[in-house]
Amino acid sequence: DAKTTQPPSMDCAEGRAANLPCNHSTISGNEYVYWYRQIHSQGPQYIIHGLKNNETNEMASLIITEDRKSSTLILPHATLRDTAVYYCIVRVNDMRFGAGTRLTVKP
Amino acid sequence: DAGVTQSPTHLIKTRGQHVTLRCSPISGHKSVSWYQQVLGQGPQFIFQYYEKEERGRGNFPDRFSARQFPNYSSELNVNALLLGDSALYLCASSYEVYGGYEQFFGPGTRLTVL
Repeated sequence: DAKTTQPPSMDCAEGRAANLPCNHSTISGNEYVYWYRQIHSQGPQYIIHGLKNNETNEMASLIITEDRKSSTLILPHATLRDTAVYYCIVRVNDMRFGAGTRLTVKP
Repeated sequence: DAGVTQSPTHLIKTRGQHVTLRCSPISGHKSVSWYQQVLGQGPQFIFQYYEKEERGRGNFPDRFSARQFPNYSSELNVNALLLGDSALYLCASSYEVYGGYEQFFGPGTRLTVL
């Protein structure tokens, strides 16, 4: 019962920005937008989260539209090690994962 | 600082048996959540605990149970194992249960049911 929609797969050239979209049209006012990634069968790795404002950290930037119905995760300079499944989640307390986007960074 | 730790790393059981999985949260974190990830799918929420109380439960049968101890560590128990319980079981900890506090995941326990 994930509340987000993501494309199943995307490719990106190494060194270029990777822009991963997410739709969450039914998001509530108190729900945060979270992004995680999972490499092979490791535990998901936290990337970034936000409520209303755009956010940036050492890994990525999160752009949330003004109506909060969609967001974009930006990896500014993708490397081969960024190849992973990326999950967008809207969350109040517990987290409900969807199928995510499989990002492949190519040389 | 140590991250979230889980034990065992791998486990093989047969149908009908019982299994206990363990999780130690990051120091200072008071909330633990459990997830099941079947091959090819995203993690599915099972339980969330905070201060030893269950705060959330996903759509799993009563064969699944959990508890949290005073030191905030947690156990996930699964009774009467089925083949379909074969999965990666993930534990995540956070300082609080509320949405503004990020959850950090452990490496998982790979359970195989034969």
